[in-house]
Amino acid sequence: GENVEQHPSTLSVQEGDSAVIKCTYSDSASNYFPWYKQELGKGPQLIIDIRSNVGEKKDQRIAVTLNKTAKHFSLHITETQPEDSAVYFCAAEGPRDTGRRALTFGSGTRLQVQP
Amino acid sequence: DSGVTQTPKHLITATGQRVTLRCSPRSGDLSVYWYQQSLDQGLQFLIQYYNGEERAKGNILERFSAQQFPDLHSELNLSSLELGDSALYFCASSSTTLGTGELFFGEGSRLTVL
Repeated sequence: GENVEQHPSTLSVQEGDSAVIKCTYSDSASNYFPWYKQELGKGPQLIIDIRSNVGEKKDQRIAVTLNKTAKHFSLHITETQPEDSAVYFCAAEGPRDTGRRALTFGSGTRLQVQP
Repeated sequence: DSGVTQTPKHLITATGQRVTLRCSPRSGDLSVYWYQQSLDQGLQFLIQYYNGEERAKGNILERFSAQQFPDLHSELNLSSLELGDSALYFCASSSTTLGTGELFFGEGSRLTVL
């Protein structure tokens, strides 16, 4: 089955700096890569996603890049703000056949933005 | 508010007991997913239901079972509980039929086994 590894496990940055979180996946058939943000006491919430036919996607201060050859994808947050402090999860999903239907999540990155 | 409702929010029980966690998906969503989040761990996929039928299975223990009812709410049953079952259990729903698409998570049910 799919295995997703996420680094770093914790990340502390100063407000205004950039933050980068990296993930690798094992199943070359995976074609959907979302990122979820989990704030304290809440469930994860989708912040951005990318599909395998695209190399990069941007939404305001957030961007995701995908390298299918190397099987890794990254989340980039620019001009970080204190409200970006949360746990971020990457995930990967393969095509709709047996055993590949559900998202496999990474272990999470706790991002702390220092004011 | 994601629109996904989970009850109870907190549950404390003893080893060997059985509990039931309940989930109401977003209005109109046919897919329900259950995930387990242990301390310092990511989200481990347990099981997925689509319109009442089991669609995919993850690393769900034999002591655990789930079902989705005709009104689309879902229940996760955990039996013969062990200390290691203490975790946050999330339910998520999705409207897509092909692929997962965006998952909408509830706020979770925190289970503590003493």
